[in-house]
Amino acid sequence: EPEVTQTPSHQVTQMGQEVILRCVPISNHLYFYWYRQILGQKVEFLVSFYNNEISEKSEIFDDQFSVERPDGSNFTLKIRSTKLEDSAMYFCASSRTSGGAEQFFGPGTRLTVL
Amino acid sequence: GENVEQHPSTLSVQEGDSAVIKCTYSDSASNYFPWYKQELGKRPQLIIDIRSNVGEKKDQRIAVTLNKTAKHFSLHITETQPEDSAVYFCAARDNAGNMLTFGGGTRLMVKP
Repeated sequence: EPEVTQTPSHQVTQMGQEVILRCVPISNHLYFYWYRQILGQKVEFLVSFYNNEISEKSEIFDDQFSVERPDGSNFTLKIRSTKLEDSAMYFCASSRTSGGAEQFFGPGTRLTVL
Repeated sequence: GENVEQHPSTLSVQEGDSAVIKCTYSDSASNYFPWYKQELGKRPQLIIDIRSNVGEKKDQRIAVTLNKTAKHFSLHITETQPEDSAVYFCAARDNAGNMLTFGGGTRLMVKP
């Protein structure tokens, strides 16, 4: 069964550094998402992406964040200048269609900002 | 925006007993309600979902009920097994977009 994959599984960075988290959504999916989960807290929506543009974003997704689909398979989340509070598990997800379609989650990237 | 509250935060049951997890949502426009199971260190996985045009859905030992008037929905697991132990998240999605708003999670522990 196809799965969403994410790399790296764990990223450690210094405060102020840029990080890029990578995701490969399921191949026939058209909608892509990033969520984050701070340790012990709920999963929070960051952004959704369709047809090469952001379709929806939350208040968390400020100017420090950006997303890109650089080629036909990858979907990336960039954090320009990391803060301590960006430390979290970042999940990528994809769905075949919009609306009530199942969103399939990747295994996550644990980001630790020191 | 949407707010989803989930209770209880932890739930401990004996193997074979039933478990019920409840969620409330605030946005009456929400129309899709998935439940995800997250085992320790693993990705959230959809176990069941319900749309606002039905009141109940069942899949083997798992069922979900939805009360649109009261804006709450519940997950029911019958004949629990140790492998049901995990964190369960409810979520809600409105008709206007694709973002899922998650509840705070319930850590279910099934004691053998």
